[in-house]
Amino acid sequence: AQKITQTQPGMFVQEKEAVTLDCTYDTSDPSYGLFWYKQPSSGEMIFLIYQGSYDQQNATEGRYSLNFQKARKSANLVISASQLGDSAMYFCAMREYGNKLVFGAGTILRVKS
Amino acid sequence: NAGVMQNPRHLVRRRGQEARLRCSPMKGHSHVYWYRQLPEEGLKFMVYLQKENIIDESGMPKERFSAEFPKEGPSILRIQQVVRGDSAAYFCASSPMSPSTDGTYEQYFGPGTRLTVT
Repeated sequence: AQKITQTQPGMFVQEKEAVTLDCTYDTSDPSYGLFWYKQPSSGEMIFLIYQGSYDQQNATEGRYSLNFQKARKSANLVISASQLGDSAMYFCAMREYGNKLVFGAGTILRVKS
Repeated sequence: NAGVMQNPRHLVRRRGQEARLRCSPMKGHSHVYWYRQLPEEGLKFMVYLQKENIIDESGMPKERFSAEFPKEGPSILRIQQVVRGDSAAYFCASSPMSPSTDGTYEQYFGPGTRLTVT
């Protein structure tokens, strides 16, 4: 069974608009963490934002926010005021049962000018 | 403070040769993780090591693959007798011994080694 599901293979967004990238997860571990990483065409993995399973508030980091809905097991990434440099692959990942991360298949985001 | 370093960045091997991928974690980090990214896919966990110990190797192929993190020096991912299906990007990540104040063991990724088997 898929642990992390990213249902959007690709997304387009107009520059300066907001975009939501979907992520649902599956775990029976009460303590887990959810991460979003950005992978530009150059290939490196850039950490964006983290949400712990016990966090009461949604995580925010600059233009990135995580819409955490625990009951629905979703952890969507919201990017506000999109920029051309946001064009990249975005991965949702979950940490459970120790420190290893389980990644989704990713969503390619293209920002249009 | 240097980040996670991986070398080489690109590695070309012929079928049957050995590939050695190196990872130097961030200063002060004692946990190392290796992940593999096949083309058009997400990263897949391979192995988790601490100094001189393999903690979790549940993602490692049973044959030809091995990893170590010696007391001194970088972590090494070794692939013997490479085949075309081993062509992928191999990422190393490191994390500190203790979680951050918010409880996360944030993993910092290196730039990856792109292995091409011809």
